Parts: sequence; structure tokens; C-alpha cells
Amino acid sequence: GDSVTQMEGPVTLSEEAFLTINCTYTATGYPSLFWYVQYPGEGLQLLLKATKADDKGSNKGFEATYRKETTSFHLEKGSVQVSDSAVYFCALTQYNFNKFYFGSGTKLNVKP
Amino acid sequence: ETGVTQSPTHLIKTRGQQVTLRCSSQSGHNTVSWYQQALGQGPQFIFQYYREEENGRGNFPPRFSGLQFPNYSSELNVNALELDDSALYLCASSKGTSGGGDTGELFFGEGSRLTVL
Repeated sequence: GDSVTQMEGPVTLSEEAFLTINCTYTATGYPSLFWYVQYPGEGLQLLLKATKADDKGSNKGFEATYRKETTSFHLEKGSVQVSDSAVYFCALTQYNFNKFYFGSGTKLNVKP
Repeated sequence: ETGVTQSPTHLIKTRGQQVTLRCSSQSGHNTVSWYQQALGQGPQFIFQYYREEENGRGNFPPRFSGLQFPNYSSELNVNALELDDSALYLCASSKGTSGGGDTGELFFGEGSRLTVL
């Protein structure tokens, strides 16, 4: 069945460091891929998405590229800020957007 | 624009009891999905409702049931509670004919934290 695997956390970085959070997936067909973020005390919210191979999603300085050949959708940011501290979830869904499969989440701590 | 609201935010039940969780969807959204998030895990899909009909179900037993009302709000009911049902229950709304609607985006509430003793 469909599934998502992401790197375990927590990830601790200093402000302005480069961030990579790895995400790989298993799916039939051509899923859409997402990164959701959960800030402390808030609900999950969409960070970025990509709906087909080689698409790059981007938002708030974060980027992720849909790599079908490696079944990956790694999240990157060139310079993290303290305000980026949150839990990040990689997710996929099939064409009908019915059921989303989420990874287990990666907690990011950014220190000043 | 009013976001997704869930109630109650926290509750404690004992094994064997029943619980009802409620969700008001975001304005303009006609689809509601429910997810269970155990501590340290990602959300797991329970089921989805579209225009008052169940539109997909995850790997959860029948004692997990739901409803969607004409105003698109929704309830999640869990009967015969077990200790493993302790989790954060998330409601997500979206618009369109499918769960994510036109954009594939789910709008989540902050969740209802259920503890089963």
C-alpha cells in the first residue's frame, strides 16, 4: 500500500543554517506530494505541494522537488529562522485527493 | 473567513465508554476528513464525508463512525473505547468533489485530545 517515510527528529539547527528533511514514498501510480507544517499550539497547515514528477513546490523560502526516479520529496531551506521551529509532515495522496498518507513527522528546533 | 473548529479540545474517558467529537468545517467547504494522530506519529486517515455521505474509509474498526450534517459540520463517534484510542483526533475540511478539492489542500482544526483510562 501507499506510505511515506521521513527522517526522524528532532533536528536542531542554528539560525541561518541549511535545512534538509528527507522524505521518501511508496505509491502506485502518480501521487501528489505535500509538506504540511504544525507550529506549536496550531493545527497542521499546507506548506507546499507538487502534483507531478519534476515539479518543484515552494513557499516561505522552503522548496521540495518531486523526484519519481528516487521516489523522494525532500524539504530544503537555505537559511532557517527561529520562527521555522515546528513539526514538518510529508504526505501523499492519489488523484482523487480522498485519503492522505502522512509520515511520522520531523521536529525542527532552530536556535538563535 | 472562519477556520475549522473542533470540540471539545480535551477529554478523558474510561474504557468501554463512548465519545462524540465535533467539527465545524471552514466556510465554503463541503468535505470533512477525520484523522487520528497518536503521540509521536503522523495522522492516520479514519474516514471522509462529502455532502453527508461517507466517501472513503481507512483501516479503522466499525466502532469508529461518523456523520456529516447539511451545514457540512461533522461528528466522529467512537464506541467501546479502548486504551489505544488515546490520541489527538484531527478534523480537516476541504472543498470540491474530492477530499482536497481543487488545490489538494486540507484545512485542519487544532484537534481534540482524547485520553482513555
